[in-house]
Amino acid sequence: NAGVMQNPRHLVRRRGQEARLRCSPMKGHSHVYWYRQLPEEGLKFMVYLQKENIIDESGMPKERFSAEFPKEGPSILRIQQVVRGDSAAYFCASSPNSGPTHEQYFGPGTRLTVT
Amino acid sequence: EDKVVQSPLSLVVHEGDTVTLNCSYEVTNFRSLLWYKQEKKAPTFLFMLTSSGIEKKSGRLSSILDKKELFSILNITATQTGDSAVYLCAVKSASIQGAQKLVFGQGTRLTINP
Repeated sequence: NAGVMQNPRHLVRRRGQEARLRCSPMKGHSHVYWYRQLPEEGLKFMVYLQKENIIDESGMPKERFSAEFPKEGPSILRIQQVVRGDSAAYFCASSPNSGPTHEQYFGPGTRLTVT
Repeated sequence: EDKVVQSPLSLVVHEGDTVTLNCSYEVTNFRSLLWYKQEKKAPTFLFMLTSSGIEKKSGRLSSILDKKELFSILNITATQTGDSAVYLCAVKSASIQGAQKLVFGQGTRLTINP
């Protein structure tokens, strides 16, 4: 059973470009969470999605950031017009449902560097 | 605002020592507390704690939760160099929108010297 997969693992973008980060949850998991880890900081919640629905995006910056989890295919975190402050590790996690006793399984992360 | 605080932020010990990592929290709608180990990549799950006073154990690692004092500890006995990592404490909090999101502490960077 493959774990959570993320790609690319490393992404370099120039300021002003778009970054697209992909996350394929574990088989059988329909709940996806995105977290961001800035250098020397803990992980911070960004958004929670189920298939075709954004449930909670309270941790997402209001501008330039968007997320989706279509019926088919991976979840996508998109950052438009990237700035240097977007440089971070972006982790995706999945769980089989939203119950309080289910742990979230993390992917290896995408390290975004904005030059 | 929900908050999780870990201490110490950094710890260096010798192989064979026992370490205790601390995690305190102030979170509304608490559901559970989780410990993860993070080496160079994905955080890997260690424990989930939901009830006070019940110790969870896995090999040389153990953890316990105190819901009255809003506190958890992670113990590692007979440490090995492979235990060197960042240990993350996270509290699962239910948001108004229904998300069981994790609120993370800053992590404790543990270094085990041979």
